[in-house]
Amino acid sequence: GNSVTQMEGPVTLSEEAFLTINCTYTATGYPSLFWYVQYPGEGLQLLLKATKADDKGSNKGFEATYRKETTSFHLEKGSVQVSDSAVYFCALSEAGGFKTIFGAGTRLFVKA
Amino acid sequence: EADIYQTPRYLVIGTGKKITLECSQTMGHDKMYWYQQDPGMELHLIHYSYGVNSTEKGDLSSESTVSRIRTEHFPLTLESARPSHTSQYLCASSEVTSGVRREQFFGPGTRLTVL
Repeated sequence: GNSVTQMEGPVTLSEEAFLTINCTYTATGYPSLFWYVQYPGEGLQLLLKATKADDKGSNKGFEATYRKETTSFHLEKGSVQVSDSAVYFCALSEAGGFKTIFGAGTRLFVKA
Repeated sequence: EADIYQTPRYLVIGTGKKITLECSQTMGHDKMYWYQQDPGMELHLIHYSYGVNSTEKGDLSSESTVSRIRTEHFPLTLESARPSHTSQYLCASSEVTSGVRREQFFGPGTRLTVL
C-alpha cells in the first residue's frame, strides 16, 4: 500500500545552519505531497505542498521539490531560526483516494 | 474567519467517565477526520466522515464513536474512559474535490488524561 518514510529525529541544529529533512514515498498513480509543521501545544498546519512531478513548494524560506524519479519530497531551508523548532510531517494524499498518509514526524531543535 | 475549533483543550478525568470531545469547523468542508497522536508524535486515523450522516472507522481501532449530524460538527465520544485512552486527539477537515488533492486543516487538539 501507499506509505511515507521520513528521517528519524530529533534533528538538532545551530541557528543559521542548513536544514534537510528527507522524505520518500510509495504510491500508485500521482499523489499530491505535503509538508506540515506542528509547533508545541498546537495542531498541524500546512507548510507547503506540490501537486505534480517537478513542482516546487515553498513557504517561509522552506522548499521541497516533488521528485517522481526518486519518489522523494525532501524539505530544505537555507538558514534555520530558533522559531523553526517544531515537528515536521511529510504526507501524501492518494490519487482518487480520501485519506492522507502521514510520515512518523521529525522533531527539529534549533539552538541559539 | 474560517477556522476549526476543538474543546476542551485539556481534560483530566477518572476511569469510567463518559466524555465527548467537540470539533467544529466554519469552512463548510464535507470531509472531517479524527486522529490520535501518541507521545512519539505519529498520527493514527481513528474516524472519518464524507459528510452528514456518514462516518467510517479509520486505520487504528478505537473504542470511541463519532457522529455527523451537521456539516460543521464532528464530536467524538468515549462511553467509558480508561487510562489507555490517554492521548492527544486532533480533528481535521478538508474540501471534497474531484481533481487536485487538498490539504487538511487541523484544530489545536485536545489532550486527554484518564486517571
